[in-house]
Amino acid sequence: DGGITQSPKYLFRKEGQNVTLSCEQNLNHDAMYWYRQDPGQGLRLIYYSQIVNDFQKGDIAEGYSVSREKKESFPLTVTSAQKNPTAFYLCASTAVQTKTEAFFGQGTRLTVV
Amino acid sequence: AQSVTQLDSQVPVFEEAPVELRCNYSSSVSVYLFWYVQYPNQGLQLLLKYLSGSTLVKGINGFEAEFNKSQTSFHLRKPSVHISDTAEYFCAVRITGGFKTIFGAGTRLFVKA
Repeated sequence: DGGITQSPKYLFRKEGQNVTLSCEQNLNHDAMYWYRQDPGQGLRLIYYSQIVNDFQKGDIAEGYSVSREKKESFPLTVTSAQKNPTAFYLCASTAVQTKTEAFFGQGTRLTVV
Repeated sequence: AQSVTQLDSQVPVFEEAPVELRCNYSSSVSVYLFWYVQYPNQGLQLLLKYLSGSTLVKGINGFEAEFNKSQTSFHLRKPSVHISDTAEYFCAVRITGGFKTIFGAGTRLFVKA
């Protein structure tokens, strides 16, 4: 079955460390997204990519970085510059130029210890 | 720019009672509209979507929504809720021909026995 796989499901980070969250999709979707979810704040867009080797900042990109070397993969790195990284992170994808909805992974919960 | 406002942050309701979760949106261009459901520590799952045509849209799990262009609303309804409907619900918009999805802040539905 096609879908989006995020790993790991839970991740713990020490202060000052960089960590990378994985997102892989086999839906052949062109566009991929990273959202951050905090209680009561809905989903906030971190980065998005419409095509391989191209990506744009979303609303809260500071302290995060991404790459898009393959159509299927869109990893997110949470750097030490992100001062409040504890959150639930969701990866999504859409097929550009169609009427389909966004498909989501199961999320990664990142906690700073 | 588009925006989505979910008018209730929390909705408590008794089992087998009807429920309405309210969503208003703002956009100067035509949009697609979506409702998603999120269970704890999981990704978002599509409930239903409005793309065009009939303004009453039926989705999974007995939910339906009505698109009202004059009031720029897309309220979600269910005639009789179950305990298992307890979850967070997100309204979202995407401009036609676009790819970015804008989410509301979410409404937490709590079904009581």
